[in-house]
Amino acid sequence: DAGVTQSPTHLIKTRGQQVTLRCSPKSGHDTVSWYQQALGQGPQFIFQYYEEEERQRGNFPDRFSGHQFPNYSSELNVNALLLGDSALYLCASSLAGTANTEAFFGQGTRLTVV
Amino acid sequence: GENVEQHPSTLSVQEGDSAVIKCTYSDSASNYFPWYKQELGKGPQLIIDIRSNVGEKKDQRIAVTLNKTAKHFSLHITETQPEDSAVYFCAPPSGYSTLTFGKGTMLLVSP
Repeated sequence: DAGVTQSPTHLIKTRGQQVTLRCSPKSGHDTVSWYQQALGQGPQFIFQYYEEEERQRGNFPDRFSGHQFPNYSSELNVNALLLGDSALYLCASSLAGTANTEAFFGQGTRLTVV
Repeated sequence: GENVEQHPSTLSVQEGDSAVIKCTYSDSASNYFPWYKQELGKGPQLIIDIRSNVGEKKDQRIAVTLNKTAKHFSLHITETQPEDSAVYFCAPPSGYSTLTFGKGTMLLVSP
């Protein structure tokens, strides 16, 4: 079991550019959630995908969008990058069916906006 | 939404001592209470969790206790070791397994 895998591990982008981050969930999991973790802070929920639909969204602007594919993998897209978007982006996978189930995280993608 | 507070923000102990981290939450409907450990440069790792029908759960040197009336749950680590040094987060969920993280506790275990 490879667990949750994210790519790339590190990324440097210029202000105003667009970025796509990728996530493959843990085997058997069908739900993917994305979190943003600024330096020294706890992760903040961005959105969650289930059955290829955005099921829940945190307090993030429309510049943040996502997608889930039929194989349950997911992408996070951020448009018009700002310096403040620099953070560790974490993907978590879980199994739907109950309201509260264990969520497992990938190692994250470190995004630096210059 | 869920409001989560975690204390202390930093905890320094000597190897072999015990460590306790407390988390308070606001949503009385919460019924699942996980703790995550995050090492430098890595994603959070689920280390122990508890559901609301249980008051305490142990796994070797770590344990979690829950007080639903007071709306807090605590992480207990006994016989601490240097490899326990990390940032620990409580993260009670709201909605569909969407976790609300505390601000974290940096645990430093000195040899």
